[in-house]
Amino acid sequence: DAGVTQSPTHLIKTRGQQVTLRCSPKSGHDTVSWYQQALGQGPQFIFQYYEEEERQRGNFPDRFSGHQFPNYSSELNVNALLLGDSALYLCASSTGQNNEKLFFGSGTQLSVL
Amino acid sequence: QKEVEQNSGPLSVPEGAIASLNCTYSDRGSQSFFWYRQYSGKSPELIMFIYSNGDKEDGRFTAQLNKASQYVSLLIRDSQPSDSATYLCAVIASGGSYIPTFGRGTSLIVHP
Repeated sequence: DAGVTQSPTHLIKTRGQQVTLRCSPKSGHDTVSWYQQALGQGPQFIFQYYEEEERQRGNFPDRFSGHQFPNYSSELNVNALLLGDSALYLCASSTGQNNEKLFFGSGTQLSVL
Repeated sequence: QKEVEQNSGPLSVPEGAIASLNCTYSDRGSQSFFWYRQYSGKSPELIMFIYSNGDKEDGRFTAQLNKASQYVSLLIRDSQPSDSATYLCAVIASGGSYIPTFGRGTSLIVHP
């Protein structure tokens, strides 16, 4: 039973560029949430997707956008990268009926230079 | 702003001791409480959850919830070096969003 998979594992970009991160949820899960975790901090909620719609959004600017596909996989897009966007980006999946318990992927470490 | 507060540590305990990790939260109406373990360079893993006041035990782990005082704690009995990790407290507040808010985590070091 495959868990949550994320790609790529590491990414280096320069300021102003755009990036796309990908996530496949755990088998049987239909909800995907994205979190940003800066060094030494807890994960900060970016947004959540369910039934291909953004269901909830945290306090992140519009430069952060996402998408969910019919197979429940998801993408996170960040435009106009800033140095402060450097962080570990975590994807978490859950079921619509038990949304509270999150299963995290291994994350994508993004470095913006 | 609904907040979850944790002491960043590190908390250092000898092998075999009880490690006590604490978390406080600001929203009195919070309903669900979680502890995640995160090894260095890895992703968080859910290890305990608790919904009602009192204690909940699972193996060497005990979660304690006191809603009146707005704190939740995690006790790890017979601590092992393999328990060395950052422990994240997560709380689902009132309001129906069902999105957990995470604390910054407490670093635990268990030394032989």
